[in-house]
Amino acid sequence: NAGVTQTPKFQVLKTGQSMTLQCAQDMNHNSMYWYRQDPGMGLRLIYYSASEGTTDKGEVPNGYNVSRLNKREFSLRLESAAPSQTSVYFCASTRSVAGYGETQYFGPGTRLLVL
Amino acid sequence: TQLLEQSPQFLSIQEGENLTVYCNSSSVFSSLQWYRQEPGEGPVLLVTVVTGGEVKKLKRLTFQFGDARKDSSLHITAAQPGDTGLYLCAGEDDYKLSFGAGTTVTVRA
Repeated sequence: NAGVTQTPKFQVLKTGQSMTLQCAQDMNHNSMYWYRQDPGMGLRLIYYSASEGTTDKGEVPNGYNVSRLNKREFSLRLESAAPSQTSVYFCASTRSVAGYGETQYFGPGTRLLVL
Repeated sequence: TQLLEQSPQFLSIQEGENLTVYCNSSSVFSSLQWYRQEPGEGPVLLVTVVTGGEVKKLKRLTFQFGDARKDSSLHITAAQPGDTGLYLCAGEDDYKLSFGAGTTVTVRA
């Protein structure tokens, strides 16, 4: 099993360009998450999908959209990139949101630089 | 808003020394998780604590959840260079995780 995979690993964009970050998991998990990680800020939740067909905003959703394409895939789209979106983006999945202490499995991250 | 405060932010110690990392909040959490992250990789779960006052041991790592379920600590005994990494605590509330900013631990050989 590959676990959680993310593409691309690294991307450079110009301000105003758009792009989609892809995430897929092969663990048959129901819930998926997108985080961004900035120095001194920890991981902040952008959007999450509790189950196929549902998505909800997290702590920092502005400037982003998501699509839960199917149970395996959860994409994050930047419609008009801004320098403030320079960050490392992590996708994660859990078996379920129901219950305490569900383990989150993280992908390797996408490093995004917006010039 | 950072719900979870971690201290210290950075910690550099010699191999064989002990260290403690703290995670504090004014909020009560259903559970609290500790992750370790190495450069260029995603966080990996170390432990989950659920019950107030709970203590869990993972080899040389000891995790404690406060009685009020608002704070936690991670203690490493006889640290080794392989313990180097970013340690993150995360509190679970309403089926989502809120992360602390992390503690960067460097263990010098």
